[in-house]
Amino acid sequence: NAGVTQTPKFRVLKTGQSMTLLCAQDMNHEYMYWYRQDPGMGLRLIHYSVGEGTTAKGEVPDGYNVSRLKKQNFLLGLESAAPSQTSVYFCASRGSYNEQFFGPGTRLTVL
Amino acid sequence: GDSVTQMEGPVTLSEEAFLTINCTYTATGYPSLFWYVQYPGEGLQLLLKATKADDKGSNKGFEATYRKETTSFHLEKGSVQVSDSAVYFCALGNSGYSTLTFGKGTMLLVSP
Repeated sequence: NAGVTQTPKFRVLKTGQSMTLLCAQDMNHEYMYWYRQDPGMGLRLIHYSVGEGTTAKGEVPDGYNVSRLKKQNFLLGLESAAPSQTSVYFCASRGSYNEQFFGPGTRLTVL
Repeated sequence: GDSVTQMEGPVTLSEEAFLTINCTYTATGYPSLFWYVQYPGEGLQLLLKATKADDKGSNKGFEATYRKETTSFHLEKGSVQVSDSAVYFCALGNSGYSTLTFGKGTMLLVSP
């Protein structure tokens, strides 16, 4: 039981490049989430999904898109990366008591 | 809306000292409450939870009691270790919402 996994672990992009972050969970959870974490800012919710084929905006959705084509996967896309998107990105899925289980994170640097 | 307030850090303690990290909340209804821990370079791990008033969550020597009358969920440990150095997040989950509300986190530094 791997829990929540994220790929890649690290990535460096140039301004304007695009990339997709992949999150996978094997706990059959309906709800999944993408957060970013920046120094002094805590966790901020980007987008989330309440089930396969659904997505919703969180606190800081601008510059990101998401897709949930399969229940176990939740993809976060950056169409045109900006230095302000340099951050650590965490994916999570929700259990039976509203608790969330987090992945190990992706460290993204945009030059 | 819902909110969580944690004490600001860093909290600096010597090994074997008693730890308290304060957490208070505002919420409608009857939320579930959580403490998460984040070690350097890692993701958040669920440390403990309480799903109703007067519940006590416990794990790895840490405890927190859901106090509805004071809207609090303070984290305590009787004797901290250097390995407990991490950032601790208090969070609230309300059944009326799809998301969690997190506090800003409290850094704990334990010296030998």
